[in-house]
Amino acid sequence: NAGVTQTPKFRILKIGQSMTLQCTQDMNHNYMYWYRQDPGMGLKLIYYSVGAGITDKGEVPNGYNVSRSTTEDFPLRLELAAPSQTSVYFCASSYSGEMGGNYGYTFGSGTRLTVV
Amino acid sequence: GDSVTQMEGPVTLSEEAFLTINCTYTATGYPSLFWYVQYPGEGLQLLLKATKADDKGSNKGFEATYRKETTSFHLEKGSVQVSDSAVYFCALSDTGANSKLTFGKGITLSVRP
Repeated sequence: NAGVTQTPKFRILKIGQSMTLQCTQDMNHNYMYWYRQDPGMGLKLIYYSVGAGITDKGEVPNGYNVSRSTTEDFPLRLELAAPSQTSVYFCASSYSGEMGGNYGYTFGSGTRLTVV
Repeated sequence: GDSVTQMEGPVTLSEEAFLTINCTYTATGYPSLFWYVQYPGEGLQLLLKATKADDKGSNKGFEATYRKETTSFHLEKGSVQVSDSAVYFCALSDTGANSKLTFGKGITLSVRP
């Protein structure tokens, strides 16, 4: 009963480096999301996916890319890391039925990223 | 667009005190409403939810009632414990297709012994 699994838990990057944050869910949820959380700012949506092969931008997509080749996996790619990308990143998944609506998210435990 | 407004924090209470955290929303249609809790160093967990007007969500002694007339979903607990110290997020989901959650900014609750 793993739920949503994120790796790594912590990472320090140098400016200009690239990396991929991994996210896997085993609940057969159709929707997946990436958020960043900054102190006092709540959660901001980076990208989301409503199913395999379909992704869309959220509120703050610049500097990030995603792909969704399977229902289970939704990796987030940072191509040229910048200090402004220092944050805690959360992946989440949810199920949304044919009539829409949302039954609540399941979150991963987060990745704390520092760019120096 | 949809939005969620939470009261400003942080909030510090003594153990066994009564808790109210205010949440109001703006949305088209008939959204579902949620409270999430984030314990230190962890991801967010669903605390409770309500899907239609006058519904009451409850869990772990926490309650919130969906008030359509005042567009509110205030979180309450009669007697808080030190273990309730966490960040609390109010959120809503519209009922349309591709309905994503919109979160408030969150409020930090600290409960002292």
